[in-house]
Amino acid sequence: NAGVTQTPKFRILKIGQSMTLQCAQDMNHNYMYWYRQDPGMGLKLIYYSVGAGITDKGEVPNGYNVSRSTTEDFPLRLELAAPSQTSVYFCASSYSAVELFFGEGSRLTVL
Amino acid sequence: AQSVTQLDSQVPVFEEAPVELRCNYSSSVSVYLFWYVQYPNQGLQLLLKYLSGSTLVKGINGFEAEFNKSQTSFHLRKPSVHISDTAEYFCAVSDTNTGNQFYFGTGTSLTVIP
Repeated sequence: NAGVTQTPKFRILKIGQSMTLQCAQDMNHNYMYWYRQDPGMGLKLIYYSVGAGITDKGEVPNGYNVSRSTTEDFPLRLELAAPSQTSVYFCASSYSAVELFFGEGSRLTVL
Repeated sequence: AQSVTQLDSQVPVFEEAPVELRCNYSSSVSVYLFWYVQYPNQGLQLLLKYLSGSTLVKGINGFEAEFNKSQTSFHLRKPSVHISDTAEYFCAVSDTNTGNQFYFGTGTSLTVIP
């Protein structure tokens, strides 16, 4: 049982580059989330989705985009990367918004 | 929106001593409450959760937490810590009315000293 799978685990970007962080879950969960984690700041919600075709902004959506074409996948797109987007990104999923299951994280550095 | 406060950013404690990590949340509406643990370079794992019923909740690795509605608190406790408990601990809340979003505290770094 793979759970929530994130790729890549590590990535270095130059300022202005774009990339997509991939997230897939095999638990048939309706809810999926993207968080970023910065030292001393806890987890901040970037975007979330309550089902295929439905997405909504969280606390810190600027500079990011998402799509949810299938139940399993919830990619996070970074356009025009900036140093402020250096962070650890976590994808999570939930069946009924009662418990979150997390991926192992993607560590992104923007130089 | 909910807010979650973890007052202690760092808690050092000697091995086999008891520990309490504090968590307070902002709203008195019906909520679900969670504690997650994060070991270095890993994702978050659920320690325990309160959904309803008994206010004392037992989780994995000997941890427990008590829901106090009047004080809007959900403090995490362990009577005797081990070296392996060294990790970051996050308190989280979800509003049962909306149910879509989880709100996290800023985390407490627990360091167990041999």
